[in-house]
Amino acid sequence: GNSVTQMEGPVTLSEEAFLTINCTYTATGYPSLFWYVQYPGEGLQLLLKATKADDKGSNKGFEATYRKETTSFHLEKGSVQVSDSAVYFCALSEGGSYIPTFGRGTSLIVHP
Amino acid sequence: DVKVTQSSRYLVKRTGEKVFLECVQDMDHENMFWYRQDPGLGLRLIYFSYDVKMKEKGDIPEGYSVSREKKERFSLILESASTNQTSMYLCASSLGRAPPFFGQGTRLTVV
Repeated sequence: GNSVTQMEGPVTLSEEAFLTINCTYTATGYPSLFWYVQYPGEGLQLLLKATKADDKGSNKGFEATYRKETTSFHLEKGSVQVSDSAVYFCALSEGGSYIPTFGRGTSLIVHP
Repeated sequence: DVKVTQSSRYLVKRTGEKVFLECVQDMDHENMFWYRQDPGLGLRLIYFSYDVKMKEKGDIPEGYSVSREKKERFSLILESASTNQTSMYLCASSLGRAPPFFGQGTRLTVV
């Protein structure tokens, strides 16, 4: 079956630091990949997506590149802000199912 | 913008009560989901519906049931609430295999 593995958190950074949150996946087919963000007390919001190999999704300064050869979709941001403190979920959707597969989430804490 | 609206942000219920969590989406999506979110466990799928009156059990359906009488509305029912059902409940909807849109969540406390 499909699975998504994210690095365990919390990830703690100072403001303006570089962020990487690792995500690797296992899929039987050729999935689409997503990152979601969940701010405290809120639901999940789609942050970015990529649908084929070498696609780069980007939004709000965050980027992730679909790497088929390493089955990875790492989330990066060049300079984080306190307002980026949230939980980030990596997910995939694969042709055989309408039900996406989510990672367990990675908590990011950014200090001033 | 797609809107997924959950009826309550916060809910406090007593053990043994029958609890209804309501979710409405406004974009004619055929798929709707109920998840439960607990610290350290991520999102766990309770039930999934791919059409009116159609449903599939997710990973943790025990103690829950669902109802989808209209396309836009998906209800989660706790038949007899227990303290171990205290959690954050998230509803979502999607079109085909597109990434789902989530509601704002309902934090349920069972006392």
